Formats: sequence, structure tokens, C-alpha cells
Amino acid sequence: GIQVEQSPPDLILQEGANSTLRCNFSDSVNNLQWFHQNPWGQLINLFYIPSGTKQNGRLSATTVATERYSLLYISSSQTTDSGVYFCALGFKTIFGAGTRLFVKA
Amino acid sequence: KAGVTQTPRYLIKTRGQQVTLSCSPISGHRSVSWYQQTPGQGLQFLFEYFSETQRNKGNFPGRFSGRQFSNSRSEMNVSTLELGDSALYLCASSLRFRGQSPYEQYFGPGTRLTVT
Repeated sequence: GIQVEQSPPDLILQEGANSTLRCNFSDSVNNLQWFHQNPWGQLINLFYIPSGTKQNGRLSATTVATERYSLLYISSSQTTDSGVYFCALGFKTIFGAGTRLFVKA
Repeated sequence: KAGVTQTPRYLIKTRGQQVTLSCSPISGHRSVSWYQQTPGQGLQFLFEYFSETQRNKGNFPGRFSGRQFSNSRSEMNVSTLELGDSALYLCASSLRFRGQSPYEQYFGPGTRLTVT
């Protein structure tokens, strides 16, 4: 099956800093989503991005399907960005282990 | 448009009992998928229902089952609960079933099940 690896596993940022989260996958896919899980457990849909680049406010994402990776950029981070970021892809929606982000005030 | 809703939000059960969880998808969405999240195994796909039919299934024992009604609402049942079934159970709805593109999922807030 598809293997999904996310890096880094943990990230601590000062408020206002920028960051890049990475998702590597082992096989070609026709669907990929990024989610943010807040401290209450709610998974929030950030991007559906099987290929190309998208932006939404301070967040943007790029997927290079031919090289089997996707990147999530967070600019000017805020404390409310804290939580776990997951990429998920494939026919049976394989989730990576996530990147746990903590933004300090 | 209202999001995905799940009931109950919290549940405590005893080993050996059974439990039923409910999920109402976004209006117009016909696909409902269920996931289990635990600290040890992460997020794992249980099964997907589309138009009242189970279309896909993950690697879980037969104690985990589900169904979908004509209004697309779905229920998940776990029989003979084990301590290891303690988890956050999430459902997600989608306009299309997996295999169709774009397949974009929206998650509910989850049901936190504790088995004692």
C-alpha cells in the first residue's frame, strides 16, 4: 500500500515565524488533502491538492505529483495555528503520522 | 451550509457491551466514511458508505459494522467492545465516492469513546 511520511514530526515556532511542512508519498495518487486537527480533535479541511499550487490567506500548498511530495507553507504563524497537520491520500485515505505544531506567543 | 455532525460527542462503555455512533453528512453529500484515531495507530480508515451500500472497507474485524440510510445519515456499530476500541471515531462526508475525482472529504467533530 501507499506509504506516507510527514516531516518534521514536531515543530515549535515563535508567533510571526514562517514554516514549511512536508509530505512524501510512495506511489502516484489522484487525491491529496491537507488537514489541521485542532486541540479539540476537529479535523479542518485546508486544501484538496492532488497537483499544483493553492493559496488561502496565510496558508499555501504545493504538490509535485511526479516527485511524490507535497508542501504546506504557513506564513506569519499565529497561536491559533497550533495543532497537528496531516496529509492524507490514496484510495483508502492513508494518513501520515502528522506534524505537531506549537506556536508560542 | 451545516457541517458534518456526530452524536454523541462522548461515550463511556464497559468491555463486552456494544455501541452505536451516528453521523449526519453535509447536505447533498452521499458518501460517508468512518475513521478511528488512536495515539498508537493514528488515523485509520474503517469503511465507506455511498447510496446505502458499503463500497470500501479497511482492515478492521467484523465487530465493526455500519449502515447508511436513504437520507445519507450513517451509523457505525461496534459489538463486544474491547479496551483497545477506546478512540476518537471520526466520520467524513464527500460529494463523490472514493475513486471519483475530486474526492474531497469534510470531517465531523468526532465521538470520543472510552471503554472501561
